[in-house]
Amino acid sequence: GAVVSQHPSRVICKSGTSVKIECRSLDFQATTMFWYRQFPKQSLMLMATSNEGSKATYEQGVEKDKFLINHASLTLSTLTVTSAHPEDSSFYICSARRQGGFLDEQFFGPGTRLTVL
Amino acid sequence: KNEVEQSPQNLTAQEGEFITINCSYSVGISALHWLQQHPGGGIVSLFMLSSGKKKHGRLIATINIQEKHSSLHITASHPRDSAVYICAVTDTDKLIFGTGTRLQVFP
Repeated sequence: GAVVSQHPSRVICKSGTSVKIECRSLDFQATTMFWYRQFPKQSLMLMATSNEGSKATYEQGVEKDKFLINHASLTLSTLTVTSAHPEDSSFYICSARRQGGFLDEQFFGPGTRLTVL
Repeated sequence: KNEVEQSPQNLTAQEGEFITINCSYSVGISALHWLQQHPGGGIVSLFMLSSGKKKHGRLIATINIQEKHSSLHITASHPRDSAVYICAVTDTDKLIFGTGTRLQVFP
């Protein structure tokens, strides 16, 4: 149990377009979902925390107008990279905390590799 | 200084060798995670522990809360174990990640 999926797994887009990445908890309800970004050979960096039905909390330095996060249901959170530019090319990973589960426990999605040309 | 330090950064081994990856942290934590990231990026959570020792198959994770140190051991290593192993700690409700240890196991 506790499977998290992401879609798409890989996306290539032109500069200036918007890209939506979905994160789904397949067999559990996720009260909280986290979005991370990972540049090549670097560690994961938390971008934002989203709670179902409320606004996401963004980490310092992350532009909330550029990285739109919607956590519309207990099984789905979306990250939209608006007006993407080459510097946004990265590996985006979501994780989910299970409703009623331990606060410490997060289940990771497989990630989405975004390449902006 | 990073709050979570891993060593070594890179590790190569021959198939069958016993492998140890270390993680030290400087913050108060409620739990420590070991994650595995395969080439291509997908992340698998291997262990979450707050005390003692856990074992799953050929993997063993230990933590010493007093010394703020954890180790991940792989017994009878195999080429399919080649991946980046990441230590992460939970500080309140956020994860703080180490920089990872890149392991290559050669046949």
